[in-house]
Amino acid sequence: GQNIDQPTEMTATEGAIVQINCTYQTSGFNGLFWYQQHAGEAPTFLSYNVLDGLEEKGRFSSFLSRSKGYSYLLLKELQMKDSASYLCAVVDSNYQLIWGAGTKLIIKP
Amino acid sequence: DGGITQSPKYLFRKEGQNVTLSCEQNLNHDAMYWYRQDPGQGLRLIYYSQIVNDFQKGDIAEGYSVSREKKESFPLTVTSAQKNPTAFYLCASSNSGDNTGELFFGEGSRLTVL
Repeated sequence: GQNIDQPTEMTATEGAIVQINCTYQTSGFNGLFWYQQHAGEAPTFLSYNVLDGLEEKGRFSSFLSRSKGYSYLLLKELQMKDSASYLCAVVDSNYQLIWGAGTKLIIKP
Repeated sequence: DGGITQSPKYLFRKEGQNVTLSCEQNLNHDAMYWYRQDPGQGLRLIYYSQIVNDFQKGDIAEGYSVSREKKESFPLTVTSAQKNPTAFYLCASSNSGDNTGELFFGEGSRLTVL
């Protein structure tokens, strides 16, 4: 079967750096998304990786290793507003989007 | 401003009733989607549509129905046949029909069955 694994919950301190991991086992690969979702709100797009490597966008960076079936989202200079769930989703060989259950990130002062 | 609008935000339903959730977008996107979100689970696809007057079942279509009479609109009906309808429902649209493009989500509709 197809599977995406993310930690259920993580805690970090304001101003620090946190890395949220996502591992996947899917039938093929056509890209990986990260979305941010604040409680009770809609998910919003953060990044899309289709090639190996690191992509940086402001305080957020996303890394992909296709050979390892692994991605991470790196958040720097954490702010209280970064408290949210972070969703990892993979596009498989049939161009179906497979979603992870999300990682709830709690930021403490 | 372009965007995607869902209504109502909160909805209560008695068992045995059908309810319809509205989803409207003015982004000129061809593809639209309905997802269901339950605690501790990933988003699950209910229905999707890549073009007007055409739609396909997703992974959990049983007990739901949709229509796509206009490009802008993709309403979802939760029928009485859906055994466990209490959930958070998300509508999304994309300018890519193959899931490689960014999804734009509505604010969601939280349905509670009493």
